[in-house]
Amino acid sequence: KQEVTQIPAALSVPEGENLVLNCSFTDSAIYNLQWFRQDPGKGLTSLLLIQSSQREQTSGRLNASLDKSSGRSTLYIAASQPGDSATYLCAVRVVGGSNYKLTFGKGTLLTVNP
Amino acid sequence: GAVVSQHPSRVICKSGTSVKIECRSLDFQATTMFWYRQFPKQSLMLMATSNEGSKATYEQGVEKDKFLINHASLTLSTLTVTSAHPEDSSFYICSASRVLGTGSRETQYFGPGTRLLVL
Repeated sequence: KQEVTQIPAALSVPEGENLVLNCSFTDSAIYNLQWFRQDPGKGLTSLLLIQSSQREQTSGRLNASLDKSSGRSTLYIAASQPGDSATYLCAVRVVGGSNYKLTFGKGTLLTVNP
Repeated sequence: GAVVSQHPSRVICKSGTSVKIECRSLDFQATTMFWYRQFPKQSLMLMATSNEGSKATYEQGVEKDKFLINHASLTLSTLTVTSAHPEDSSFYICSASRVLGTGSRETQYFGPGTRLLVL
């Protein structure tokens, strides 16, 4: 059974700092890995999606890497801003029957202090 | 980008009543829709997967008779929580999947979620 772990569970940093969020998964046979942002009481916003054949994806100040063999991914946020404060979720897509399933981690609660 | 809506966004009900939550893909036809549940400070847990016109596939531990899923069209799926109890209070999120391009890359688009509080 696929399990996804995110470390740390919570992180508080001053504005402007660069930071790294970690995600690990137990089964390396994944289809892809996705990072999401979730604001309190809201749905999910997709940030970056890395296919299993890729090693990284970049979007603005965000960079996500994937090491499928070791079961790890990192989300790098450069020059953090208070607006980045949210919960960041990592999810891997596994093949289950006729549908693709997403398995989520518990998330990292990020607080960026002005 | 693709938009998925959910209605209602919040609902409060008495114990024993049934609650229906709608999930719609507004600008695309969804091949598959997924229902997730999220308890405070917990991960999203997949409850069931549904394809239009067929019965939903439920995850282990999810009661089929309690969480009724109907996927009558390619743009609408409904989740009905029957005889709701306080322990069913949670954040319910749906997602709709769409195959992009000529390849087999399937992308899930998430709704904004529905907060259910059962008194």
